Amino acid sequence: ELKVEQNPLFLSMQEGKNYTIYCNYSTTSDRLYWYRQDPGKSLESLFVLLSNGAVKQEGRLMASLDTKARLSTLHITAAVHDLSATYFCAVETTGGADGLTFGKGTHLIIQP
Amino acid sequence: DAGVTQSPTHLIKTRGQHVTLRCSPISGHKSVSWYQQVLGQGPQFIFQYYEKEERGRGNFPDRFSARQFPNYSSELNVNALLLGDSALYLCASSSWYLTQYFGPGTRLTVL
Repeated sequence: ELKVEQNPLFLSMQEGKNYTIYCNYSTTSDRLYWYRQDPGKSLESLFVLLSNGAVKQEGRLMASLDTKARLSTLHITAAVHDLSATYFCAVETTGGADGLTFGKGTHLIIQP
Repeated sequence: DAGVTQSPTHLIKTRGQHVTLRCSPISGHKSVSWYQQVLGQGPQFIFQYYEKEERGRGNFPDRFSARQFPNYSSELNVNALLLGDSALYLCASSSWYLTQYFGPGTRLTVL
């Protein structure tokens, strides 16, 4: 059974600081996704990572994938309040027929 | 372009009742997936449909069923509702094997 673990599950940080969210998964994956969810809202796609060594950046967020270590990271640079949200990583296997397996999410609060 | 749409937005039911949730995918997307998100948890996969065929099913009881129509819209049915079925139900659409885009969800409360 595929398991996806995120840590930390809760993170409070100050604006301007850097931090990293980690996502470990237990079996070979086809692709790895990062989503953002604001309170009471749906999921917004941030990144999809397809291959070992993949790195994608959008604004203050950068995601990377190490398939050998079965590890993905989401790095936040010089955090701003607007990035406060819950971030989920999700893994897709078996050609997608089993859907996405999500981690429990990292609840991020960025304080001024 | 319109994103994924879901209806209704909110729903309140009592235990033992039946519920039908509806989803319209992004235009051109032929794959629809359903997820259940309990408060404080990540979404859990329920079903995936592609070209009106069930392609995958998560670990949910037979009380949960779904179907996809010729226009690629989909509905999720849940029979004999339990208190534990209270959750946000998310629909996602994609072109086959590409990024899944999520709708706003239906908040189901079972009393």
